[in-house]
Amino acid sequence: ETGVTQSPTHLIKTRGQQVTLRCSSQSGHNTVSWYQQALGQGPQFIFQYYREEENGRGNFPPRFSGLQFPNYSSELNVNALELDDSALYLCASGQGRVSPLHFGNGTRLTVT
Amino acid sequence: AQSVTQLDSQVPVFEEAPVELRCNYSSSVSVYLFWYVQYPNQGLQLLLKYLSGSTLVKGINGFEAEFNKSQTSFHLRKPSVHISDTAEYFCAVSATGEYGNKLVFGAGTILRVKS
Repeated sequence: ETGVTQSPTHLIKTRGQQVTLRCSSQSGHNTVSWYQQALGQGPQFIFQYYREEENGRGNFPPRFSGLQFPNYSSELNVNALELDDSALYLCASGQGRVSPLHFGNGTRLTVT
Repeated sequence: AQSVTQLDSQVPVFEEAPVELRCNYSSSVSVYLFWYVQYPNQGLQLLLKYLSGSTLVKGINGFEAEFNKSQTSFHLRKPSVHISDTAEYFCAVSATGEYGNKLVFGAGTILRVKS
């Protein structure tokens, strides 16, 4: 059984640029969630996808968008990067209402 | 909406001593409760979860937590800690009506185990 894998592990971007982060869900999982973890804080829910449709969104602006593909892999896109977007971005997959999420190791994004 | 308060930002403790990491939550609906651990430069690993049933929940690595509905608490305990338990611990809640667990996390508690 493969776990949740994220790529890249680290990324440096300039303010105003766009970035795409990728996530491969754990085998058999059909739900994927994305979280932003700023330094010294707990993760914050960005959005969730279930069977390729957005199924909930946190308090993040529209420049944060996502996709879930038929194989249940996922992308997080962030446009017009701001300095405050610097954070660890965590992807998590799960299956069902009471299935705990399995997290990847995250992508560390630095915006300069 | 749900919220989580972790009452201690850092907890220093000597090896083999007991430890309690405190977590209080606020919610207008029934919830599921979770504790996750995060080691440096890694993602989150599930320690234990409360979904229903017995209020004392046992998890991995010798950790346990007790759900107290009247006090809206879900404190994490371990009777004897090891150096390897040094990490950051997050309490999280999700509404039972939410599909797929949209978790609300606390700010985290850093557990520092000293020899």
